[in-house]
Amino acid sequence: NAGVTQTPKFRILKIGQSMTLQCTQDMNHNYMYWYRQDPGMGLKLIYYSVGAGITDKGEVPNGYNVSRSTTEDFPLRLELAAPSQTSVYFCASTQGRGLSGNTIYFGEGSWLTVV
Amino acid sequence: AQSVTQPDIHITVSEGASLELRCNYSYGATPYLFWYVQSPGQGLQLLLKYFSGDTLVQGIKGFEAEFKRSQSSFNLRKPSVHWSDAAEYFCAVGTMDSSYKLIFGSGTRLLVRP
Repeated sequence: NAGVTQTPKFRILKIGQSMTLQCTQDMNHNYMYWYRQDPGMGLKLIYYSVGAGITDKGEVPNGYNVSRSTTEDFPLRLELAAPSQTSVYFCASTQGRGLSGNTIYFGEGSWLTVV
Repeated sequence: AQSVTQPDIHITVSEGASLELRCNYSYGATPYLFWYVQSPGQGLQLLLKYFSGDTLVQGIKGFEAEFKRSQSSFNLRKPSVHWSDAAEYFCAVGTMDSSYKLIFGSGTRLLVRP
């Protein structure tokens, strides 16, 4: 019963490096999301996906890319890391809105520092 | 525009005292409403949610929240706070469009005095 799994949990990057944050869910959820949380702030939506092959920008997409080739996986890529991308990243998923509404489940977070 | 406001950045209460965390939202229709809790260095845990029906919803850990449409509020309450409740609390609204996104407030940090 893994739920939403994110890797890595911690990472230090140098400016200009690239990396991919992995996210996988085993609940067969259609909707997946990437959020970032800066110190003392709420969560801001980076990208989201409503199904395999479909992605869209959220509130703060600049500097990131995503893909959704399978239902289970939703990786987030940082192409040229910048100090402004130092943050905690959360992946989340849900089956969808539905008539009764559905809960959005979160991963445990990935702490990224860009130096 | 859709938004969530948590007016209190920090709240300090004594252990055993009652608690109310405020949340106001701006949304064109009745939204889905959530409260999440985040302990230091941890992910987000769902406390409770409101979709429809009874405006007073019960959650885990003894928390409850009341949806008041006239005030666009969804305040979180607990009658007696425990030291383990010290954490950051986030109110969120789920959009009703096809994307079904969560829009978060900036959070309220709860400190508990012994």
